[in-house]
Amino acid sequence: EPEVTQTPSHQVTQMGQEVILRCVPISNHLYFYWYRQILGQKVEFLVSFYNNEISEKSEIFDDQFSVERPDGSNFTLKIRSTKLEDSAMYFCASSTGQNQPQHFGDGTRLSIL
Amino acid sequence: AQSVSQHNHHVILSEAASLELGCNYSYGGTVNLFWYVQYPGQHLQLLLKYFSGDPLVKGIKGFEAEFIKSKFSFNLRKPSVQWSDTAEYFCAVRSYNTDKLIFGTGTRLQVFP
Repeated sequence: EPEVTQTPSHQVTQMGQEVILRCVPISNHLYFYWYRQILGQKVEFLVSFYNNEISEKSEIFDDQFSVERPDGSNFTLKIRSTKLEDSAMYFCASSTGQNQPQHFGDGTRLSIL
Repeated sequence: AQSVSQHNHHVILSEAASLELGCNYSYGGTVNLFWYVQYPGQHLQLLLKYFSGDPLVKGIKGFEAEFIKSKFSFNLRKPSVQWSDTAEYFCAVRSYNTDKLIFGTGTRLQVFP
């Protein structure tokens, strides 16, 4: 079964540094998503992306965050200047359509020191 | 604001016991409903989904869920659990006109042989 893959599995970064989390969605999927889960809290929606633009974003997704699909396969989440509170598990997901089930990757654990 | 409540945070069962995990949501409009499972060290996997039609939906691995619109509930059930069902279970809701999934806090299920 095709899977969403995320790299790295664990990223440790100094506060204030930029970090890029990478995702390879399932190849025939058109909708892409990022979610995060702070330890002990709910999985929270960050952003959805379709047709090379953001289609929806949450209040969490402020100016420090950006997403990009730089080529035909990767989907990245960039945090420009990381804060301690950005420490979380970040999940990428993709789907074939807006009202179709989302398929999740294994996640990247981001630790900000 | 939309929210999802999972009342059971941690459930411990013996093999062959029956399982019911509660999920309630707050949203008055049309929704899609999902149960995801996360086995230890793995990604979120879709167990089952409800979009429309028969409110009793069957998923993988013998799981089923019933959508009761009047109670805003989508409880997950399995008549006889196995040790391999040990995992974290997440209920999620998506309103019809949005991309984002709203997750519950998750229920950790431990099944002992």
